[in-house]
Order: sequence, then C-alpha cells, then structure tokens
Amino acid sequence: DSGVTQTPKHLITATGQRVTLRCSPRSGDLSVYWYQQSLDQGLQFLIQYYNGEERAKGNILERFSAQQFPDLHSELNLSSLELGDSALYFCASSVTSRGQNTGELFFGEGSRLTVL
Amino acid sequence: SQKIEQNSEALNIQEGKTATLTCNYTNYSPAYLQWYRQDPGRGPVFLLLIRENEKEKRKERLKVTFDTTLKQSLFHITASQPADSATYLCALVVSYNTDKLIFGTGTRLQVFP
Repeated sequence: DSGVTQTPKHLITATGQRVTLRCSPRSGDLSVYWYQQSLDQGLQFLIQYYNGEERAKGNILERFSAQQFPDLHSELNLSSLELGDSALYFCASSVTSRGQNTGELFFGEGSRLTVL
Repeated sequence: SQKIEQNSEALNIQEGKTATLTCNYTNYSPAYLQWYRQDPGRGPVFLLLIRENEKEKRKERLKVTFDTTLKQSLFHITASQPADSATYLCALVVSYNTDKLIFGTGTRLQVFP
C-alpha cells in the first residue's frame, strides 16, 4: 500500500460527459502528480501541483483541468470526453523540496476510465 | 525532439540469470534518473534513484548505471526470479528547475523457471 488513495477505481461513461477523479496523497506529501496511461502511449505526464499551486505542466488537454485543495487532496476534471480518453489515470505524491524533485513518487492504484 | 527509449520488446530470461534492461534518452540533461516496477493494472512502484554525478547504484539484487555521455542507463537484476516478471520503467527528472518526471514506455520482463 503506497498510501495514495484514488477514487473511483473504475468509471464508465459516455462521450461528451464530464468526470472528476480524486486523489488523496500520502500524509505529509505536498506534491501531487497526475499521469495518463493508455495501452499505446505509456505513462504520460499531465500536471503537477505543489502545496496548492501548479508546478509543472505536461501535455494536458484543454478539456482537462486539475486543482489541489488546502487539505492537499487533488482532483482531475475531464470534460467533453472522447473515446480516446479511455485510459488509466494515476495520481502520485512525493515529498518535494521547492524546485527540486529529491525522491521517489508514490503512485495510487489508478482510476480506470472507459468512455463508450 | 526529446525522447526516452526503452526496448519495447519483451525480455525473456531464465530464472537465475541476470536481466539487463536499457534506457536511452535524447535531448535531455536529467538531474536524476529513476527506475520503477509496474505490475499489470497496478501503479508503478519506485525501485532506485541515481543522480547525474553517480555512476552506479545498488540495492540488493538490483544495480543501476548512469552514463551521461552515452545518455544511457542500464538496469540489472541478478539471480532473477519468476516474481521479478513485470514491466520496468525508467523516468527522468528533466532538470534541477522542475519536478517534472517523464517516463519511458517500459520494458516487460518475463522470467521463466
């Protein structure tokens, strides 16, 4: 058990819909990362938050947005869903000194999104 | 363009042998390189971190090397066991000024008895 909790574990929805994925980081971790993993793409970095502020951005679509709340949990919002958005979405957390990644990421078990 | 390349073909080896996985990168100057293990349908699990000024790191049966001239890291599992069968991912922290951790596509290792 990594200590990172993601909900829901599975989600099935239709094209055009909007979903919210939730992540609770390990106790004490200030950084939260979101990754998308599809069969043909590997783990794609989406976005990182540090203590409530956006720290780094990857190839996150404009239809996707995220935030980190004062209690450090994070949500990833996916809207206007398309078939190609079907994937495993992972959240990870780490203890990060400002400006440097000094260690490992702890991953949750992922949220499997299926868009029909 | 920036790339992190791992052998997409599965690596099949016999129990007891040493498995060697390769991670090559282009157009990055990474501050750190990490290796993770991922089992099907599960989240990746951290194994080892090596810094740019370190040539080699060991942990039990695992060894990682990092050659910034060749832009390559090698990951070795000695005395491999069937339980080592998984996908192994390398990941780069692309610079000291960012926390962005970029992953390779991974190499699937199958250790057979």
